[in-house]
Amino acid sequence: DADVTQTPRNRITKTGKRIMLECSQTKGHDRMYWYRQDPGLGLQLIYYSFDVKDINKGEISDGYSVSRQAQAKFSLSLESAIPNQTALYFCATSDWDTDTQYFGPGTRLTVL
Amino acid sequence: GENVEQHPSTLSVQEGDSAVIKCTYSDSASNYFPWYKQELGKGPQLIIDIRSNVGEKKDQRIAVTLNKTAKHFSLHITETQPEDSAVYFCAAENTDKLIFGTGTRLQVFP
Repeated sequence: DADVTQTPRNRITKTGKRIMLECSQTKGHDRMYWYRQDPGLGLQLIYYSFDVKDINKGEISDGYSVSRQAQAKFSLSLESAIPNQTALYFCATSDWDTDTQYFGPGTRLTVL
Repeated sequence: GENVEQHPSTLSVQEGDSAVIKCTYSDSASNYFPWYKQELGKGPQLIIDIRSNVGEKKDQRIAVTLNKTAKHFSLHITETQPEDSAVYFCAAENTDKLIFGTGTRLQVFP
């Protein structure tokens, strides 16, 4: 969905490096999410935010942190990347009065 | 917490045949069940959803059924076409979050 953008789309980095993945949305939604996708494991929730001052841990938050800079921006950071964080990362948004989530195109992250 | 199981993990059908993907969930408090389609290199996109006050919903060739008593729901695709080939995810809403199944890779052969 072009209303949800993620940068970068692809990133290769080395073990121990700090990485930031960014998500922006023009849908005007209050709620934003970060998911990780591994083959055969579906989508796992890392962190979510229901408004600018709200940050919550998901199922697999260890090794990750987030920042909600504005209603439209939600960033995911890996403070010290490790190889098992190699995965596809998706950002999603939803409005407060609906459960429907809209996903960005994803970031493919490889940690060597 | 909620747990969602999805079967099968892969499904191959001939063009024109029907495809059925099944999911079960564990938390009876869940009341919203969306289905997402993910094409290669793209993010998941919502294709149909159902709420617990409805037993069946249909949108052209796609339908979803929900059995709250048994805690399972299914996606039905009729008259499959090659462009239906993708990975499909079911999900259940739980405390304002979606819990996803592990996905089904559907291949439709011409």
